[in-house]
Amino acid sequence: EDQVTQSPEALRLQEGESSSLNCSYTVSGLRGLFWYRQDPGKGPEFLFTLYSAGEEKEKERLKATLTKKESFLHITAPKPEDSATYLCAVNAGNNRKLIWGLGTSLAVNP
Amino acid sequence: NAGVTQTPKFQVLKTGQSMTLQCAQDMNHNSMYWYRQDPGMGLRLIYYSASEGTTDKGEVPNGYNVSRLNKREFSLRLESAAPSQTSVYFCASTQGGSFKTNYGYTFGSGTRLTVV
Repeated sequence: EDQVTQSPEALRLQEGESSSLNCSYTVSGLRGLFWYRQDPGKGPEFLFTLYSAGEEKEKERLKATLTKKESFLHITAPKPEDSATYLCAVNAGNNRKLIWGLGTSLAVNP
Repeated sequence: NAGVTQTPKFQVLKTGQSMTLQCAQDMNHNSMYWYRQDPGMGLRLIYYSASEGTTDKGEVPNGYNVSRLNKREFSLRLESAAPSQTSVYFCASTQGGSFKTNYGYTFGSGTRLTVV
């Protein structure tokens, strides 16, 4: 069964304390892995798409990487405004839908 | 650019009542989607429209109907609301064809629906 698992469920960091969020997936025929950010009371906001193992994408303090089994979202020197829920989704070639993880809730304390 | 606009933002219904959630996008996107988001369940696809004039069922279509009115607008209708339909509903759009991977989805801000 196609599945996406995110860990940890929740993460609390001090401002400036770098860390990584994990998205592991079990799908056949990966056609893309997506990262989104969701603020409370708002819809998800698109961050990155990764297509193949070894690919990396960066945006400000965020860097996403992809292997054959998982993706990491690295957050370097986070700020309080990085606090949000980060969602991972996978597009599997044999299924005509995105498979979503449950997200990691990140809190960055000043 | 407004992006994806959903109305209403909040709604309370009584069991058995009907309502339509409206969604409009101004980005000339081909594909549009309706999701529901529930604690512990994540985002689940209700219906999608790959292009104007087409609609298809997602994971959880029971109890819902959709209409792709034109390229901009995609509405979701609850014919007889049930408490199990209490959720946050998101509309999304993307430039490519159905589940094309080149582009991320743009989401609306959601409709918070409570059925009592």
